[in-house]
Amino acid sequence: AQKITQTQPGMFVQEKEAVTLDCTYDTSDPSYGLFWYKQPSSGEMIFLIYQGSYDQQNATEGRYSLNFQKARKSANLVISASQLGDSAMYFCAMREGFVYKLSFGAGTTVTVRA
Amino acid sequence: GAVVSQHPSRVICKSGTSVKIECRSLDFQATTMFWYRQFPKQSLMLMATSNEGSKATYEQGVEKDKFLINHASLTLSTLTVTSAHPEDSSFYICSASQPGVNIQYFGAGTRLSVL
Repeated sequence: AQKITQTQPGMFVQEKEAVTLDCTYDTSDPSYGLFWYKQPSSGEMIFLIYQGSYDQQNATEGRYSLNFQKARKSANLVISASQLGDSAMYFCAMREGFVYKLSFGAGTTVTVRA
Repeated sequence: GAVVSQHPSRVICKSGTSVKIECRSLDFQATTMFWYRQFPKQSLMLMATSNEGSKATYEQGVEKDKFLINHASLTLSTLTVTSAHPEDSSFYICSASQPGVNIQYFGAGTRLSVL
């Protein structure tokens, strides 16, 4: 079974608007971590935000926030005030237990329009 | 965040040659590094976990004799694609995390083209 599911292959968003990228996960381990990475066309993977399974509050990092709904097993990324430079592929990933390796979703391509 | 350097960024080689890719953690010691492969417009596929001072752990379906991994120091892991063929052409990217830190930081990746 897929551990990370991203159902939106591609999205368009108008500059300065907010966009929500969906991510659902599947694990039976009570301890896990959820990550979002950005991959521009250059290929590098840029860490955006992290949410631990025991964290009480939703993570935020600047214009990025993670909408963590534990009961629904979802960890959606919200990008506020989109900029042209936000155009990239975005990956949701999960670490389970104390194993550091990550499982990645299929990714969502975001295109920001001027 | 922590810095991971990957070299080379791009390599073109003839079929049958071997290619070595380096992954370095620049400002921290990494006992564990990871190697991924990515096809165009697809997700990252974990190939192996590189452990300093011991053998790498390969994911199912990854040929360990084809993709040799060496993690001889706390700051350097290398991936050697042996006897490369056109089907090995891909984007290879490494990652590392500081001990006790949840976040994995990635190198910039290596685009391998085998002619």
